[in-house]
Amino acid sequence: EAGVAQSPRYKIIEKRQSVAFWCNPISGHATLYWYQQILGQGPKLLIQFQNNGVVDDSQLPKDRFSAERLKGVDSTLKIQPAKLEDSAVYLCASSPRTGRQETQYFGPGTRLLVL
Amino acid sequence: AQSVTQLGSHVSVSEGALVLLRCNYSSSVPPYLFWYVQYPNQGLQLLLKYTTGATLVKGINGFEAEFKKSETSFHLTKPSAHMSDAAEYFCAVEGGNTPLVFGKGTRLSVIA
Repeated sequence: EAGVAQSPRYKIIEKRQSVAFWCNPISGHATLYWYQQILGQGPKLLIQFQNNGVVDDSQLPKDRFSAERLKGVDSTLKIQPAKLEDSAVYLCASSPRTGRQETQYFGPGTRLLVL
Repeated sequence: AQSVTQLGSHVSVSEGALVLLRCNYSSSVPPYLFWYVQYPNQGLQLLLKYTTGATLVKGINGFEAEFKKSETSFHLTKPSAHMSDAAEYFCAVEGGNTPLVFGKGTRLSVIA
């Protein structure tokens, strides 16, 4: 079974520029997550989708971050405009359904450097 | 609210020695607890999880963890370290309607 795919793997931009990340979850997985992992810290949930609806976006900085999951499959996460503190690894994960005890399957991440 | 504290940002062991990675949690409801491993340039992979039932949980690659409610701990152990175990390990807690909360991670180094 193919895993969670993410692209690009690396991105370098200057502050105030915009950037977009793409995620393709495991086939059939209804739930999709975006995490931000800053160097030296654990992943922090940004947004959770159930099919194409948002379940939790309480930690998403909505003034600059946006995400969508069209047709309940692929998802994109956008940052506009980027700040220096957005430098991090952005991880996408998916699970078969929403709920406690569900195992999340992670992609390799996109490493973003904002100069 | 849930939180996780991992004691020791870096642990170094000799090959063949016991691995012990410490995790303490805080949760206002009965927690679900997880250990994930992250190899360089890869995503996180589930090692094991505790939901309900038996408090000693066995995972992949010979790892196990014991849920101790009285100590609010979920320490990860492996009897004999292997070079391939070198990685970053994350403890995480989930409770109630809150999302998964990760600790800061512990980097495990294995010395030949």
